[in-house]
Amino acid sequence: DQQVKQNSPSLSVQEGRISILNCDYTNSMFDYFLWYKKYPAEGPTFLISISSIKDKNEDGRFTVFLNKSAKHLSLHIVPSQPGDSAVYFCAAISPYNTDKLIFGTGTRLQVFP
Amino acid sequence: NAGVTQTPKFQVLKTGQSMTLQCAQDMNHNSMYWYRQDPGMGLRLIYYSASEGTTDKGEVPNGYNVSRLNKREFSLRLESAAPSQTSVYFCASSFDHRGWVTEAFFGQGTRLTVV
Repeated sequence: DQQVKQNSPSLSVQEGRISILNCDYTNSMFDYFLWYKKYPAEGPTFLISISSIKDKNEDGRFTVFLNKSAKHLSLHIVPSQPGDSAVYFCAAISPYNTDKLIFGTGTRLQVFP
Repeated sequence: NAGVTQTPKFQVLKTGQSMTLQCAQDMNHNSMYWYRQDPGMGLRLIYYSASEGTTDKGEVPNGYNVSRLNKREFSLRLESAAPSQTSVYFCASSFDHRGWVTEAFFGQGTRLTVV
């Protein structure tokens, strides 16, 4: 029972263009969402987060959008760079299970020149 | 500043053997976690420890045991390894998720193969 879903296993984008990674969740009690980036042979590293009281959070080239009614969030990377090529995981936290980060299955982003 | 350190980085076990994965963090975090990563499955929580002296099951705890030895260290034990436990294991730590939410920091991972 996957509570956090990333339906696109892979995405390929040209350098300089926008990358949009999507994430859907089923549990309406989730109130905090995070994006992690993972390079091969390394642990995931935190990228950006958003609270459910917001619908947008921006950090440099990275913006996360949250649509609570649709239970959907997305990560926009503009402009995309070859160094952004990695696997991206979204994760969620519930206020009733605050010690657990629930991760999606990941989307592999490839940015080509 | 090491962050989260896991040992070993690689391990090959025979079916039925036991081993312990070690994890230590130097960030004074309260919460620690063990995840496994499998192709197409994302990161799945095995066990977590919200504070020193407490441990709780995650999504996939069967076949594993954990020990929160002190605030810094959280170990994961496979008592009788099975091929289904072939995976990449990640340890992570974070401050409490309430007051205010913080992100989890991950170790480099342990690639375990059970033959």
